[in-house]
Amino acid sequence: AQTVTQSQPEMSVQEAETVTLSCTYDTSESDYYLFWYKQPPSRQMILVIRQEAYKQQNATENRFSVNFQKAAKSFSLKISDSQLGDAAMYFCAYRGYRDDKIIFGKGTRLHILP
Amino acid sequence: DTAVSQTPKYLVTQMGNDKSIKCEQNLGHDTMYWYKQDSKKFLKIMFSYNNKELIINETVPNRFSPKSPDKAHLNLHINSLELGDSAVYFCASSQGQGGTEAFFGQGTRLTVV
Repeated sequence: AQTVTQSQPEMSVQEAETVTLSCTYDTSESDYYLFWYKQPPSRQMILVIRQEAYKQQNATENRFSVNFQKAAKSFSLKISDSQLGDAAMYFCAYRGYRDDKIIFGKGTRLHILP
Repeated sequence: DTAVSQTPKYLVTQMGNDKSIKCEQNLGHDTMYWYKQDSKKFLKIMFSYNNKELIINETVPNRFSPKSPDKAHLNLHINSLELGDSAVYFCASSQGQGGTEAFFGQGTRLTVV
């Protein structure tokens, strides 16, 4: 069965600095998607970034980028120029290409220090 | 236009009661889900429906009964509520096989007293 592991329950970063959140996953599939979701205190689940496993190029969305290492089954999220509004729970998630479900890691709570 | 909407946002009820949470999506997706988020923020899938048919039932007690009248709606009915059912329940939708991310509703915080 596929699993997603986030080893950092909490992290803190100074405003305007850069922070990297870690995620590893386990799968025997070769085609899949990986995601980072953000959950602010409003509890809305917001997609931050998506990576298709067949793409070697790392996905980027403005200040958010990933480091996707397929062989190592690693998928970290880098947030540059951290802002107060980035404070939230961040969930790493996996979906197999033929799967009907998305599996989530346990989340990392990110604090932004002013 | 809200893509995935679920009602109510908050639900407080007594043990033993029966309650329902409604969910609707206007994205044209063929797959809908119910996820449960516990007090430690862990998100766990409960059910997955594809074109109104149950695809996944992740060992959820049979007090929980999802119903999908059409592919745009997936409701969750809970019988004989227990204290341990207190959680946030999320409805979500996505395209089926080959689809990518799920789009989530705003969640329903259920508190059983």
